[in-house]
Amino acid sequence: NAGVTQTPKFRVLKTGQSMTLLCAQDMNHEYMYWYRQDPGMGLRLIHYSVGEGTTAKGEVPDGYNVSRLKKQNFLLGLESAAPSQTSVYFCASSRGTVEAFFGQGTRLTVV
Amino acid sequence: KQEVTQIPAALSVPEGENLVLNCSFTDSAIYNLQWFRQDPGKGLTSLLLIQSSQREQTSGRLNASLDKSSGRSTLYIAASQPGDSATYLCAVCHDYKLSFGAGTTVTVRA
Repeated sequence: NAGVTQTPKFRVLKTGQSMTLLCAQDMNHEYMYWYRQDPGMGLRLIHYSVGEGTTAKGEVPDGYNVSRLKKQNFLLGLESAAPSQTSVYFCASSRGTVEAFFGQGTRLTVV
Repeated sequence: KQEVTQIPAALSVPEGENLVLNCSFTDSAIYNLQWFRQDPGKGLTSLLLIQSSQREQTSGRLNASLDKSSGRSTLYIAASQPGDSATYLCAVCHDYKLSFGAGTTVTVRA
């Protein structure tokens, strides 16, 4: 089973460039999440979705947009990348109140 | 806002010693608490999940307890091995979202 798959795994962007991170899950989960992980700060929630066609802001949403057009996919967009967005991004999915499953992460560097 | 704290931030023990990792949270209205392991440069691997109605959960050498009323969970790892060296994260599920602590980085010395 693939579980949660993130694409790409690594990316280097120049300041001001845009990109989209893709998260795909094959477990038919309703809930999907995007987190960022920075040294010493744990994981912080950027945006999440409770079902197809829905999105909501998390703890640190500024500078990011998301879309959930299909149940299995959750896209995270950076319209104009900034050095402060250098981080490791994790996607997760769950049925809501039970176990959450995480992807392997995307390491993004903005120069 | 849910705040999750893990103490200590780092821990170094000799092989064979038992590990005790602590997690505290400020809002007791949680659905569950999950413990994860993260190796350097890798993703998160789920270790144990405790539902809010449970007091503890066990898997092999791992045992996690939950005291929801006091906002605390403890992860015990018996007879530690060098392969247990990693960062351990706890996360509480509330409002269908996970809030994480900053983690405890464990080093088991051979």
